[in-house]
Amino acid sequence: DAGITQSPRHKVTETGTPVTLRCHQTENHRYMYWYRQDPGHGLRLIHYSYGVKDTDKGEVSDGYSVSRSKTEDFLLTLESATSSQTSVYFCAISEAKGTSNQPQHFGDGTRLSIL
Amino acid sequence: DQQVKQNSPSLSVQEGRISILNCDYTNSMFDYFLWYKKYPAEGPTFLISISSIKDKNEDGRFTVFLNKSAKHLSLHIVPSQPGDSAVYFCAASRLSGNTPLVFGKGTRLSVIA
Repeated sequence: DAGITQSPRHKVTETGTPVTLRCHQTENHRYMYWYRQDPGHGLRLIHYSYGVKDTDKGEVSDGYSVSRSKTEDFLLTLESATSSQTSVYFCAISEAKGTSNQPQHFGDGTRLSIL
Repeated sequence: DQQVKQNSPSLSVQEGRISILNCDYTNSMFDYFLWYKKYPAEGPTFLISISSIKDKNEDGRFTVFLNKSAKHLSLHIVPSQPGDSAVYFCAASRLSGNTPLVFGKGTRLSVIA
């Protein structure tokens, strides 16, 4: 198993509260990603990082921010959670071999419920 | 607009038979394709990949076929086993450069004993 730890694994919170999800890796991989998985939508990219302090938006970035101050940690923040952000969130990591991308490896997910 | 499409939400196959999962893509810039398998309450697990310089890649019971002219790929599982029951995601990207994966919506495979 790739060394990826997501925390918390489960969280229930109220609309309007801030929420931060953490992804921690022990593989020293350059790339880190946050996805959300919803019924009927598969996996959709929220934000990704290609190095410390280097991040970019994905397909569904509105309402989310990220930070990566260390190689091993990638944080996803919902500044003011809404019910539409109830989802399962997955972190993934990957590396490049020369100029070729390598497969992403995923954590076990965080189930977030916003009431 | 969906760039990666898995048009079959579900598939049922008998144990021992072949499972064929299909995937279509629209972006001609994609040259790197992957299949992931996902069990409930777990993260997706990488299964097999193929780059556009090949039309087939095999790993044990799993084979991926790529038809570039049709922008179509398929995953064959032979023989299918009950433990293969899971959701399978197709994904596509560029082999080089900082290009994230684009995922299909998934196909739920049920292998019946």
